[in-house]
Amino acid sequence: EAAVTQSPRNKVAVTGGKVTLSCNQTNNHNNMYWYRQDTGHGLRLIHYSYGAGSTEKGDIPDGYKASRPSQENFSLILELATPSQTSVYFCASSGTYLYFGAGTRLSVL
Amino acid sequence: GQQVQQSPASLVLQEGENAELQCNFSSTATQLQWFYQSPGGSLVSLLSNPSGTKHTGRLTSTTVTKERRSSLHISSSQTTDSGTYLCALGDSGYNKLTFGKGTVLLVSP
Repeated sequence: EAAVTQSPRNKVAVTGGKVTLSCNQTNNHNNMYWYRQDTGHGLRLIHYSYGAGSTEKGDIPDGYKASRPSQENFSLILELATPSQTSVYFCASSGTYLYFGAGTRLSVL
Repeated sequence: GQQVQQSPASLVLQEGENAELQCNFSSTATQLQWFYQSPGGSLVSLLSNPSGTKHTGRLTSTTVTKERRSSLHISSSQTTDSGTYLCALGDSGYNKLTFGKGTVLLVSP
């Protein structure tokens, strides 16, 4: 069974602080993705990766960095968190289909 | 970029009725997938159907590429079908998908 695990599941951060969202997959998939989901916008792609060492900008990359140190791990980094980054973040990996993690609810106060 | 419009925005059915969900998109794509998001937020891929008709269980998807539309038919709806149904398209071969805002389905007993 394909598995994508995100941590933490919930996070409260202060404005200007650094936030790291982590994602681990045991599917041995090359491709991984970070999406955010907001009411009225649906899911939007922030960054994605084709494999270890690669990161690519998605549709809304501003204010976010990504890191793919290994096949299994893909992190999303908010260097200076802002309230507008309050959202639910989903990590996914893909072979033929996209497999999502359970999501991280981030609140930036 | 790709625009994805889903209709209706919401749908209320009695258990046993059929549901018809629509997805219209602005440009042709090589990938089209339907996803289900549970009321708790988890996301799962239902099926991939970039063209033609595809069946899986009580789900039937029909995509008419030249008319840039796809539908998802759910037969004999059950209360457990309640949730949000998302249509997503991509054209890169890497599952880099653009999502619609979804149709919220509520099935009452």
